[in-house]
Amino acid sequence: DVKVTQSSRYLVKRTGEKVFLECVQDMDHENMFWYRQDPGLGLRLIYFSYDVKMKEKGDIPEGYSVSREKKERFSLILESASTNQTSMYLCASSFLEGQGPYEQYFGPGTRLTVT
Amino acid sequence: EDKVVQSPLSLVVHEGDTVTLNCSYEVTNFRSLLWYKQEKKAPTFLFMLTSSGIEKKSGRLSSILDKKELFSILNITATQTGDSAVYLCAFTRSSGTYKYIFGTGTRLKVLA
Repeated sequence: DVKVTQSSRYLVKRTGEKVFLECVQDMDHENMFWYRQDPGLGLRLIYFSYDVKMKEKGDIPEGYSVSREKKERFSLILESASTNQTSMYLCASSFLEGQGPYEQYFGPGTRLTVT
Repeated sequence: EDKVVQSPLSLVVHEGDTVTLNCSYEVTNFRSLLWYKQEKKAPTFLFMLTSSGIEKKSGRLSSILDKKELFSILNITATQTGDSAVYLCAFTRSSGTYKYIFGTGTRLKVLA
């Protein structure tokens, strides 16, 4: 079974703190993704990566950065957390097109509250 | 601009009913459409459709894609309370990006 794990299920941080969300997948997937999910807005892509050290901005990258130093690990960084970054954060991974099943596999999510 | 629209936004049915969820899309270089079920936690994969007119089935769930009219439907027959969830559809493009574009979902509640 594909397993995507996220470092925390629930996280509470203060405004201005630097926040690290970690995601690890064990299926040797090339693609990894970070989304945030908010009521009424659905899943919105923050960043994705298709290879080690490669990254591309998604639809809402402002206020976030990412790091992918190893294939299995993709980190989301909130440089200076703000209250409007309170959300559910979902990590996902998939094979490259043509390399395997193309559906995304999701981690359990991290519910981040910024106070 | 690419977009995905799901309807209805929410739905309440009784156990045993049949439901049809809709997903329409506008996208350049369409490659595939995917359906996910999301309960309390992360979305879980249901179907991926790439060819028009070919139905995919898994138990009481089935889905079909119409690439001419740019929509997909997800059918659930003999609904059970365990089918209560948010159902998401997403599409991928055939070139240029690895992004998945998600709709906002249909919230289904099945009453006993």
